[in-house]
Amino acid sequence: EAQVTQNPRYLITVTGKKLTVTCSQNMNHEYMSWYRQDPGLGLRQIYYSMNVEVTDKGDVPEGYKVSRKEKRNFPLILESPSPNQTSLYFCASSANRGRGNEQFFGPGTRLTVL
Amino acid sequence: GEDVEQSLFLSVREGDSSVINCTYTDSSSTYLYWYKQEPGAGLQLLTYIFSNMDMKQDQRLTVLLNKKDKHLSLRIADTQTGDSAIYFCAEALSGYSTLTFGKGTMLLVSP
Repeated sequence: EAQVTQNPRYLITVTGKKLTVTCSQNMNHEYMSWYRQDPGLGLRQIYYSMNVEVTDKGDVPEGYKVSRKEKRNFPLILESPSPNQTSLYFCASSANRGRGNEQFFGPGTRLTVL
Repeated sequence: GEDVEQSLFLSVREGDSSVINCTYTDSSSTYLYWYKQEPGAGLQLLTYIFSNMDMKQDQRLTVLLNKKDKHLSLRIADTQTGDSAIYFCAEALSGYSTLTFGKGTMLLVSP
């Protein structure tokens, strides 16, 4: 089954404790992206990657890091999480050439930073 | 810069038509999308339209695009309670996969 998976689905942590949210897709997509969703603000892009070893900042990259060492994986790293990073995070992927560049979304990771 | 605006909430009765509106600012947008987010889930693509089209129909869904006014709408005919969700409008430039999303419209369908 074609899908985007994220782990963990739920995470409660404390300020300053490094964490990684994993994202993996099995559709051989070149493009992958991370978004955060907050009430009243909609989806905002954090980072994206056009292909392996190619990453770029989105609209809200501060406090986050990413890496793209393999095509299928695109982990999101919070080196020193803060409470304002409490949010719902979505990973997405798409083929650079596809049906209108349709993005496939993962199920989301709900992060709470205390 | 790019900006996508949507009304935040729409309430309709089951069986009625729903119309969700969206405006965008970037006239060079080539692809315009509607995504649906059900409670506790990620976003799923509902439909999309190229900027050289005025209308696209897909079963109960009709997308209208007014390029002059940079206005996009999604009409859902015979709305069902299962259509209750958040609907996101999004735009993308030709050759790029980066999407700019609106804040989403929550559609509530009552029996």
